[in-house]
Amino acid sequence: SQQGEEDPQALSIQEGENATMNCSYKTSINNLQWYRQNSGRGLVHLILIRSNEREKHSGRLRVTLDTSKKSSSLLITASRAADTASYFCATGANSKLTFGKGITLSVRP
Amino acid sequence: GAVVSQHPSWVICKSGTSVKIECRSLDFQATTMFWYRQFPKQSLMLMATSNEGSKATYEQGVEKDKFLINHASLTLSTLTVTSAHPEDSSFYICSAATSGRTYNEQFFGPGTRLTVL
Repeated sequence: SQQGEEDPQALSIQEGENATMNCSYKTSINNLQWYRQNSGRGLVHLILIRSNEREKHSGRLRVTLDTSKKSSSLLITASRAADTASYFCATGANSKLTFGKGITLSVRP
Repeated sequence: GAVVSQHPSWVICKSGTSVKIECRSLDFQATTMFWYRQFPKQSLMLMATSNEGSKATYEQGVEKDKFLINHASLTLSTLTVTSAHPEDSSFYICSAATSGRTYNEQFFGPGTRLTVL
């Protein structure tokens, strides 16, 4: 069953703007991960944040995790046209990953 | 490093035939491999988890006799869709995890698009 629920479902921004995507989940987790998928391709792992962490950075990516609210956010700063893709959060628990429905991000040049 | 390949990248078959999809870890040993299914504009749904040398563990609702999984070596897992029907048309993605990292860090293959006519 799907646990992660991202919002918004679709996001369109201008190149250079920041993109914020949110993910909510329902049960206890060990970690939460964000992935990117370009159209018709496989997944690329972006970042993992453990349940005892609150914030993590990787390049232009910033992820936060609020276990009390069971939510996470992914911020992409200074977006580029190449960031256009679908983004999924995935929660890790019980030795497997459960993916959300995904957010389609379009970055206009 | 940590590259996972899938073959074929796409396949079209007639209803009733069987299709085999290969998933290979190219530069590492994968003790655990996962098979996912993704319908258009939808999320990935885990179908099964396979550990090298043992039977796969299927998720609820996934028919093990229809989706045969073999993980015979530390670098190869196969998914065979038996007696495929149009409703089996989907994007199948595998992932692999290295020994000691289990499910936390999965490396994903590029996916195989199956179209059943």
